[in-house]
Amino acid sequence: DTAVSQTPKYLVTQMGNDKSIKCEQNLGHDTMYWYKQDSKKFLKIMFSYNNKELIINETVPNRFSPKSPDKAHLNLHINSLELGDSAVYFCASSSNRGVDGELFFGEGSRLTVL
Amino acid sequence: AQKVTQAQTEISVVEKEDVTLDCVYETRDTTYYLFWYKQPPSGELVFLIRRNSFDEQNEISGRYSWNFQKSTSSFNFTITASQVVDSAVYFCALAYQKVTFGTGTKLQVIP
Repeated sequence: DTAVSQTPKYLVTQMGNDKSIKCEQNLGHDTMYWYKQDSKKFLKIMFSYNNKELIINETVPNRFSPKSPDKAHLNLHINSLELGDSAVYFCASSSNRGVDGELFFGEGSRLTVL
Repeated sequence: AQKVTQAQTEISVVEKEDVTLDCVYETRDTTYYLFWYKQPPSGELVFLIRRNSFDEQNEISGRYSWNFQKSTSSFNFTITASQVVDSAVYFCALAYQKVTFGTGTKLQVIP
């Protein structure tokens, strides 16, 4: 039973389209995250939610909108996709707002924008 | 501000060699946590170890060992007798309220 699951695993789409990636965790964690990993493998935090409340919002274009319907789900919606959005997006969760940093990651969603 | 530096972008070793991956961090906080994660070619991120800032004891787990030195703000990772399965990108990370990752070191173990 996967602890942090993301769908879809692969996504290929055209510039200008809107797409969503879904994430669910069954660990009972209060905090969830979205990370972006670019082609150089840099891992950068985008958003963090704690009990459905946004707590970290790094400098991310407002075309990216996270939504947390409940503490077990954190979805990422991207409007007007651009070539530079091509990356692997990782969802993660932790038990205590990331204070001690142990993150449980999903398998990643590889987004390719053509 | 927090910062994690992994100066080695890529390392190649021959199987059975020992290899050390360097990690240097910067933080103004006195309480923090340090981590290593492994990302094999399959892409998932695997947690390896966590250390808090008050525990400078070195740790050994099988062929893996970690050396935490607060005086030099370093948290280095050594793999003894490397194996092909160790080939991966390794990330060092620093956590205090949020997690900051280093840029990763790609390790290639050649048979």
